[in-house]
Amino acid sequence: QKEVEQDPGPLSVPEGAIVSLNCTYSNSAFQYFMWYRQYSRKGPELLMYTYSSGNKEDGRFTAQVDKSSKYISLFIRDSQPSDSATYLCAMSVSRDSSYKLIFGSGTRLLVRP
Amino acid sequence: DAGITQSPRHKVTETGTPVTLRCHQTENHRYMYWYRQDPGHGLRLIHYSYGVKDTDKGEVSDGYSVSRSKTEDFLLTLESATSSQTSVYFCAISGNRQGQSSYEQYFGPGTRLTVT
Repeated sequence: QKEVEQDPGPLSVPEGAIVSLNCTYSNSAFQYFMWYRQYSRKGPELLMYTYSSGNKEDGRFTAQVDKSSKYISLFIRDSQPSDSATYLCAMSVSRDSSYKLIFGSGTRLLVRP
Repeated sequence: DAGITQSPRHKVTETGTPVTLRCHQTENHRYMYWYRQDPGHGLRLIHYSYGVKDTDKGEVSDGYSVSRSKTEDFLLTLESATSSQTSVYFCAISGNRQGQSSYEQYFGPGTRLTVT
């Protein structure tokens, strides 16, 4: 079993929809959670990061962490065709760079005009 | 833009040949990483560096070696390329310019390597 699980999709939604992307994990020591967006043939770009449980909002994006369920989510409101990309979650037990980031395999999102 | 470049961006090589990929950063970040990305596996860490001449293995290090002789450059070498090493390779950096640790990693544009 992988430490971090993510549905590969693709997830296809109409423009303007609310999108929910999710990851589950098995290591209860994870405390730092990140979401990366990766456009086709590009490197991943850091979208949002959160510490421990709770919500964090940035424009149309909301990251949510539920440590009791070992479940994290990324919500995208008013989705746009430009949001079409692969979204990867990542997590770490520490903010120290010497600790590894563990990545999910990514969910491909397609927003239809 | 985290000031990371990778070269070459694309390479096709034959089985058994040596290959070196270069990662270059311009902002004095302490930590540098090499990942490979394959369908269904996501990003997997090959090697990382926590300073000049300081490196350590990651999850999938077999068949790869690295070197970091100066802060700005991190080289990944496939001593004898195999078809299983066909992949997209990403370099990443973390840590701020003052050398402090940070879990946020920033990625380069990637190198697409095909081993025939």
